[in-house]
Amino acid sequence: KNEVEQSPQNLTAQEGEFITINCSYSVGISALHWLQQHPGGGIVSLFMLSSGKKKHGRLIATINIQEKHSSLHITASHPRDSAVYICAVNNYGQNFVFGPGTRLSVLP
Amino acid sequence: DAGVIQSPRHEVTEMGQEVTLRCKPISGHDYLFWYRQTMMRGLELLIYFNNNVPIDDSGMPEDRFSAKMPNASFSTLKIQPSEPRDSAVYFCASSLDSWYGYTFGSGTRLTVV
Repeated sequence: KNEVEQSPQNLTAQEGEFITINCSYSVGISALHWLQQHPGGGIVSLFMLSSGKKKHGRLIATINIQEKHSSLHITASHPRDSAVYICAVNNYGQNFVFGPGTRLSVLP
Repeated sequence: DAGVIQSPRHEVTEMGQEVTLRCKPISGHDYLFWYRQTMMRGLELLIYFNNNVPIDDSGMPEDRFSAKMPNASFSTLKIQPSEPRDSAVYFCASSLDSWYGYTFGSGTRLTVV
């Protein structure tokens, strides 16, 4: 069983839809990151969470430490949100364990 | 700030050749990370440095891989000799500390033929 799992693996949405991407992990963590990888390959760090909820523009990330689960929400999705979204956990060290990623396509 | 700068962007080399990838972290960032991304294995941490000192190299696949950070503004990842299975995108990232200011470079796409 992978230490970090994401669902769905692939997601296609229409512009304007509300999107949720889920991340579950099986190890104890000190922090969880959501990363966005653009079609060109560049990676951007979106959020770092250790508890609760964070919001940045149309993006919202939540984490439930007890349930070992995090969600990334995108409100009013847009084609430019099309990317791979990667969940990564840090288990009390510098070593990150990465999820497999969720490929999101937002159609106009 | 120009962000994390990696070079080259693309590298094609023949099996057995030495390959050197370069990274310039964001000024003031104390941590530098090298990652490899493949279709089969996703993103993997290879090695990271704190204040120019290698802290954890357990992700380095084998002795053919080596990484150095001679000063706070420069790091290299070297593969000698290269093999086709080393073909991947190699990312460098830097951060202020364990948690904040985590920034990735644009990556180097390596193809070993």
